[in-house]
This record gives sequence, structure tokens and C-alpha cells, in this order.
Amino acid sequence: AQKVTQAQTEISVVEKEDVTLDCVYETRDTTYYLFWYKQPPSGELVFLIRRNSFDEQNEISGRYSWNFQKSTSSFNFTITASQVVDSAVYFCALSEVGAQKLVFGQGTRLTINP
Amino acid sequence: DVKVTQSSRYLVKRTGEKVFLECVQDMDHENMFWYRQDPGLGLRLIYFSYDVKMKEKGDIPEGYSVSREKKERFSLILESASTNQTSMYLCASSLEGIRGYTFGSGTRLTVV
Repeated sequence: AQKVTQAQTEISVVEKEDVTLDCVYETRDTTYYLFWYKQPPSGELVFLIRRNSFDEQNEISGRYSWNFQKSTSSFNFTITASQVVDSAVYFCALSEVGAQKLVFGQGTRLTINP
Repeated sequence: DVKVTQSSRYLVKRTGEKVFLECVQDMDHENMFWYRQDPGLGLRLIYFSYDVKMKEKGDIPEGYSVSREKKERFSLILESASTNQTSMYLCASSLEGIRGYTFGSGTRLTVV
């Protein structure tokens, strides 16, 4: 069965600190996709990244970076030099090939304090 | 850009009322989903649909039903609203699971 675990319920840091959000997943498939979504206070979940199971290269997009490690079934998300606008709930999700549903983690509420 | 539009941002309903939450997408997506989001519980799937007039139960379908008469519209129905259905409801659509979802802005429902 598929499962996504985000063990950190809430994280609070001071602006400009680096912060890492953890995501651990379980799947029996060898081919799958992993996602991160951001939910700002406005409510709409915004797509951040999709990564397939064959591509273990780390990805960097501005202050955001993602570390995918199949050996530990983890897909962690790091924000460098955090800003107040990064405050949101972040969700990690998993989809297997052929499945139409995404399985979501419980979400991590990130608060960046000025 | 794909747009998923939920008809109401906030709703207040009375216990026992029949409640309709509407969701419309404009990109011809096959799949549509209804989730509820509660603190500490993340997103929980209520119902989803792969095609017109087709529906599948998710993880928490009790007390809910759905309707998909047209491809672009997926309605969530609370047959008799109860206070434990007070929640944020999120609609999403997708072409296929591996491409991820596009979400609506959510409807915050309060049942009093």
C-alpha cells in the first residue's frame, strides 16, 4: 500500500534561516511520481515540483531545492534563506503509474517569523 | 492555465440542510476529486470520478454523495449536513495521476 509521512507537523523559524521539510514514502511499485504542493493562507494548493522515480538528481529552483533518495524512500524539501512569504502548509504526495489518485502526507505547517 | 473553480469560498449551513458544493474545471480533464482538509489530518479523499456519470468512493464517503453529469462539473452533496462536516473542502482535477492535480481555492463550510 502507498503511504506518505510528513513527521513534522509544524515548523517555526526566523526569516533568513534555512529549513528542511521531510517526506518519507512507501510504495511497492518501482515506477512512481512524487510531488510537493504549497498551500498559502489563501487556501489553494499550488504545485511546486514533480519528480519521477528514475530521476534521483537533486533539483534546485531559486531558494527551493529537493533531495530525492530512493535508498531511504525520502523526498525532502529545503528552503534556503527563508522569507515570510514562504509561510504556508506544505504537502508531499505520491502517485504510482496507472493510478489516478495521489496519496498525500499530513502536511507541514511552516511559519517564518520576521 | 487550467482553472478549477469552486462556487463558494465560505458557506454557513444549518444542521440537517442538504448542501451542494460545486466545482468546475476548464481543461477537459478526465479525473476530478473531492477532498476535505482538517487540522492534523491532512487531505482525505471523499469521492472521485474518472468520467461522466462515473464515481468511486474515497476514504471517507459516509454522509456524502457526488454527481458528475458533465465532464467539467463535479458536485459534492451533503445529504443532511452535520456539525462534524464543518471543514475545508477542496476540489481537484487531473489528466492523469502522474501529472499531479490542479486544485480549486477551497470552500470553507461551517455547519451550525
